[in-house]
Amino acid sequence: EVQVVESGGGLVQPGGSLRLSCAASGFTFSSYWMSWVRQAPGKGLEWVANIKHDADEKYYVDSVKGRFTISRDNAKNSLSLQMNSLRAEDTAVYYCARLMGYSKFDYWGPGTLVTVSS
Amino acid sequence: QSALTQPASVSGSPGQSITISCTGTSSDVGSYNLVSWYQQHPGKAPKLIIYDGSKRPSGVSNRFSGSKSGNTASLTISGLQAEDEADYHCCSYAGSSTVVFGGGTKLTVL
Repeated sequence: EVQVVESGGGLVQPGGSLRLSCAASGFTFSSYWMSWVRQAPGKGLEWVANIKHDADEKYYVDSVKGRFTISRDNAKNSLSLQMNSLRAEDTAVYYCARLMGYSKFDYWGPGTLVTVSS
Repeated sequence: QSALTQPASVSGSPGQSITISCTGTSSDVGSYNLVSWYQQHPGKAPKLIIYDGSKRPSGVSNRFSGSKSGNTASLTISGLQAEDEADYHCCSYAGSSTVVFGGGTKLTVL
């Protein structure tokens, strides 16, 4: 059974840093693109970042470029999101998702909540 | 990277059909037949229900269908059931390995 599970969320002050992790199982992790998608309270989904299966290519939404870094460890079936210089508007539930094709997110984790507040 | 436009809410009675629109631009929806749709119940993760414009994953009811005309994609749910009450999100490929989501639509089954 395919599973992805996020961890690492929490409360952080503006300007602070946080690292999210996603543990994957039930599929050949190293063969798939992976993504982070977030959802601010009461709002729609927002794509954050994609990473190619071999980590050779990474893509970000403009609002996080230069602040967030997506990475993966295929030996550990793990995806990460390093978030620096956090802002109040980064407050959201962050989802890890498997990306099949160009816009097909076929498996999602339960999400982890990040709250940026003083 | 502007969000796709969806109506904030739609409603329908059991057994009826409803359609949710998703309007983008010639840079995303209009350029690719790569729109996906997600159903999200409160407090739950999104679930893929339509991909590549009109394809259904295994296990998704054939009451869900997708289509596209120009810069607008649509999700139609026929034979509305109480369990269909949820938020629905559209997503389109936007080129250069990026995607864009819509703002989400809340479906109420009356």
